[in-house]
Amino acid sequence: DAKTTQPNSMESNEEEPVHLPCNHSTISGTDYIHWYRQLPSQGPEYVIHGLTSNVNNRMASLAIAEDRKSSTLILHRATLRDAAVYYCILEPMDSNYQLIWGAGTKLIIKP
Amino acid sequence: DAGVIQSPRHEVTEMGQEVTLRCKPISGHDYLFWYRQTMMRGLELLIYFNNNVPIDDSGMPEDRFSAKMPNASFSTLKIQPSEPRDSAVYFCASSGIVGLAGGNTGELFFGEGSRLTVL
Repeated sequence: DAKTTQPNSMESNEEEPVHLPCNHSTISGTDYIHWYRQLPSQGPEYVIHGLTSNVNNRMASLAIAEDRKSSTLILHRATLRDAAVYYCILEPMDSNYQLIWGAGTKLIIKP
Repeated sequence: DAGVIQSPRHEVTEMGQEVTLRCKPISGHDYLFWYRQTMMRGLELLIYFNNNVPIDDSGMPEDRFSAKMPNASFSTLKIQPSEPRDSAVYFCASSGIVGLAGGNTGELFFGEGSRLTVL
């Protein structure tokens, strides 16, 4: 199974952009890339997903490398409420809706 | 919409007891997923339903675990008998946007989870 690799933790200053990297060098051409985040004592929350092209929504942007072996979640202006564990997840197209969750990156926002 | 509702939020029980976790998905969602989260193994998919029918239960750890969805607004995950290694946070999630042609789970909406401690 394709896997993802993320830094264990990252720090950023409030009101600055945050770039969260994810490596998925064994990704196949039909694997979707999902990002979820989990705030303390809460369930995971959907952030964004994509396949090949970069994606934008109200929460974040997803930049996917041309070879698809890595991607970056971009929070344009971090707030204290963005402090969470961010998961980069692959969904193989033939996986029967199985999401392959990694260990995630704990994002710390400094005021 | 109130979102996905799970109960109980916390459950402490003794080994050998039966545990029932409950979930009410978002109205109109036709997919329901049960996940388990532990420090050691992270998030694991246990089972999922489509239109109240179990589709894939390959993640259910053993016969002590069972899940039902008697109608579109209610699902249960039962552990009988419970063991200390079942201690975890159990999440229910629902989705109404599941992809076509075998891909793209779309957006999952998770509940706040049920934290189970088996002594």
